[in-house]
This record gives sequence, structure tokens and C-alpha cells, in this order.
Amino acid sequence: QKEVEQNSGPLSVPEGAIASLNCTYSDRGSQSFFWYRQYSGKSPELIMSIYSNGDKEDGRFTAQLNKASQYVSLLIRDSQPSDSATYLCAVNLNFGNEKLTFGTGTRLTIIP
Amino acid sequence: DVKVTQSSRYLVKRTGEKVFLECVQDMDHENMFWYRQDPGLGLRLIYFSYDVKMKEKGDIPEGYSVSREKKERFSLILESASTNQTSMYLCASSFPGGREGYTFGSGTRLTVV
Repeated sequence: QKEVEQNSGPLSVPEGAIASLNCTYSDRGSQSFFWYRQYSGKSPELIMSIYSNGDKEDGRFTAQLNKASQYVSLLIRDSQPSDSATYLCAVNLNFGNEKLTFGTGTRLTIIP
Repeated sequence: DVKVTQSSRYLVKRTGEKVFLECVQDMDHENMFWYRQDPGLGLRLIYFSYDVKMKEKGDIPEGYSVSREKKERFSLILESASTNQTSMYLCASSFPGGREGYTFGSGTRLTVV
């Protein structure tokens, strides 16, 4: 089992709909969770972080964390063509660990 | 604005050359990282450093070395470049503890011919 697992996609969503991206992780001791967006040919940029169970909203983005199920998700409301990118889930797998472990990413395409 | 700057956006080098990739950050971050990113393999950690002159191997250190003489600068060295080191190289930095995530540089696309 991979330490951080994502469905590679591609995931196609109509413009204006909700895009749902999922990530599971292996270590119950994980404390910090991040979503990065990466446009083709560019470097990853941090869009959301979450540390506690529940939902965290920032504009059109909502991160959801369920530590019991070892599951973190990202919802993008009112999807726009500019949201088309690869989304990387990253987890700080052990408390105090200096490193993030990344999933391989989900490629999202928003269809106009 | 937080900046992590990588010295080159694109590089083409010959097999056997010694290659230096430079990364500078201006956020006073203690931690710095070098990753490579390849299609289907995701981000793989090469080396990281949590303090000046300190370094630790990541998951794929073979064929690479690093240098951190100053807090803001972290260099990746390919001792003798090979074609299988053709990749996108990403530098990142962070505060200790992993709570705030990384800030990435813009990346260096290295081609070894």
C-alpha cells in the first residue's frame, strides 16, 4: 500500500459543477495535510492546509479531513476552466516529521 | 512575497558532466529539500537539509550530492550526469515541524544528452 494514495484520473468535470478530489494515507499518526495545485510545466503551489477533523473552507475550496478513516478530500465549487490542473495531496506522516509525503496527483479537467 | 528561486529554468548537459543546481530562499526557512518529478512517479525526495551544513538522504540519493553552506542556499550536485537523470528538479523550503507545508521554487527542467 502506498503511503499517500490518490486516484490519478483524469477527472473531467463540467464548468460550474463541484469537483471532488480524494486522498487516503497510511499512518494514523499523521498530523498535517495539504493540497497543492500544479499547472502543466509549473511547480506545485499550496492551496489548502488542514489539521483537524472536519471541513475547512477558503473561497471556492473546501478541504475535508477524517482521521478515523485516514481520508482527506478537496472540493472545488463552481469549477472554472482555470482550475484544470494536477492536484497533489501531501501528508506529514509522523508527528514532528520534517518531510511531506506526496501522492502522485489527480489530473482535473474542467470542461467549458 | 515568499520566494524560492532556482537558478535555471531549463538546462541541457552532456553525459558525464558535473551539474550544479542552485536554490535560494528568502524566508529564513530552516528546512530545504530537493525533489525530482517524473511522469507517473510523482515527487521523489533526493536530499533534504534542516540546518546549515546538515543533510539527510531522501528516497533516491544515488548519483546526487548536496551542499548547504548558508541557511538560504541549498545546492544539488549531479556528480556525473546520466540520461536517467533527465527530469524536472524542484527545490522547496519550510519552517521546522512540517506544519506549514512547503514553498516550491519554479523548477529546473534538466535534459542530459
